[in-house]
Amino acid sequence: AQSVTQPDIHITVSEGASLELRCNYSYGATPYLFWYVQSPGQGLQLLLKYFSGDTLVQGIKGFEAEFKRSQSSFNLRKPSVHWSDAAEYFCAVVIKAAGNKLTFGGGTRVLVKP
Amino acid sequence: DGGITQSPKYLFRKEGQNVTLSCEQNLNHDAMYWYRQDPGQGLRLIYYSQIVNDFQKGDIAEGYSVSREKKESFPLTVTSAQKNPTAFYLCASSILAGPYEQYFGPGTRLTVT
Repeated sequence: AQSVTQPDIHITVSEGASLELRCNYSYGATPYLFWYVQSPGQGLQLLLKYFSGDTLVQGIKGFEAEFKRSQSSFNLRKPSVHWSDAAEYFCAVVIKAAGNKLTFGGGTRVLVKP
Repeated sequence: DGGITQSPKYLFRKEGQNVTLSCEQNLNHDAMYWYRQDPGQGLRLIYYSQIVNDFQKGDIAEGYSVSREKKESFPLTVTSAQKNPTAFYLCASSILAGPYEQYFGPGTRLTVT
């Protein structure tokens, strides 16, 4: 079965430093890929998505992600973190052949130090 | 403003009672979904519906039921058969054609004691 792995459960970063969140998926075909962000007690907001074409995609709030087929990865990055970026981040994939269902990783909680 | 509403934000019930969580969308999306989120875990799919009067079980449907009588509404009932109902419940919707991105509501936190 397909799976999505986010190896880092927690990441602590200083404000102004760069951030990279890892995401790996296991599936033979190229899926549709998403990153969502969730503030405490809130719903999920879509940060960015990848379907095809340019493997570096830009999203909202200054985030970007790079799809690497050879590594089955879709890592999220931000050059300079703001205190408001403290949240939980979820990577998700849709496999068309699997009924178009969204499969989520376990999430990475980001803490931002002043 | 288009979006998804879930009510109430917080819900408290006694063990053994059924409870229904509301989800309404005005995005004109055909597909709607219910997820359960537990602390430190990702989202797990409970039920989904791609058309009115039709729905499919997700990965953890046991102890839950849904209905889809209107395109805009997809209520979830947590029955007394659900062994661990305390959780954060999220509703989402999407169009049926690609790219399948889902839009989420603000969630309902259910506590059963």
